[in-house]
Amino acid sequence: AQRVTQPEKLLSVFKGAPVELKCNYSYSGSPELFWYVQYSRQRLQLLLRHISRESIKGFTADLNKGETSFHLKKPFAQEEDSAMYYCALSGQYGGATNKLIFGTGTLLAVQP
Amino acid sequence: KAGVTQTPRYLIKTRGQQVTLSCSPISGHRSVSWYQQTPGQGLQFLFEYFSETQRNKGNFPGRFSGRQFSNSRSEMNVSTLELGDSALYLCASSLYGTANSPLHFGNGTRLTVT
Repeated sequence: AQRVTQPEKLLSVFKGAPVELKCNYSYSGSPELFWYVQYSRQRLQLLLRHISRESIKGFTADLNKGETSFHLKKPFAQEEDSAMYYCALSGQYGGATNKLIFGTGTLLAVQP
Repeated sequence: KAGVTQTPRYLIKTRGQQVTLSCSPISGHRSVSWYQQTPGQGLQFLFEYFSETQRNKGNFPGRFSGRQFSNSRSEMNVSTLELGDSALYLCASSLYGTANSPLHFGNGTRLTVT
């Protein structure tokens, strides 16, 4: 079965500290993986996707197929990073579907 | 471009009633999908439409239905409302409708069933 697991409901760090939001997935094949973010009073929006191998707002995520993980990392947290972060899995690479399976989300709180 | 627009923003209904939610995707986007968000279950996929055809359906009862029009606008309908249907309903659109296409979400419609 396809599943996304985010083990932490809340992650609290101090400004300037490193951040790692964990995400593990279950999928037979090569999935598309995403991180979506929801800032306070804003709509859910894409942060980054593994296919792009990009860094957005200082965040990066590496797909580890051996560990079936897609952890989100940032070396130095900023207060404006405080938000709800969702890891999501789509279908097989190049597949004709937009269905997303979301994890339960991790609330990141960056303390001053 | 204007973002994904959902109407209405808030709805209060009584058990047993039916409700219709509307979604206007970003101009040019042909794929529209719907999600239910609740504190207990999180974000759950309802269905996905592409060029007026339903491509995928989540694990929801038949009381939940949807459709997409030729201009890509979409509606979802919930009949015989139950208290457990209270949730934030999110609509999302994407340009290509493929697995690697990012979704653009609306602000949602918050449905309260009393």
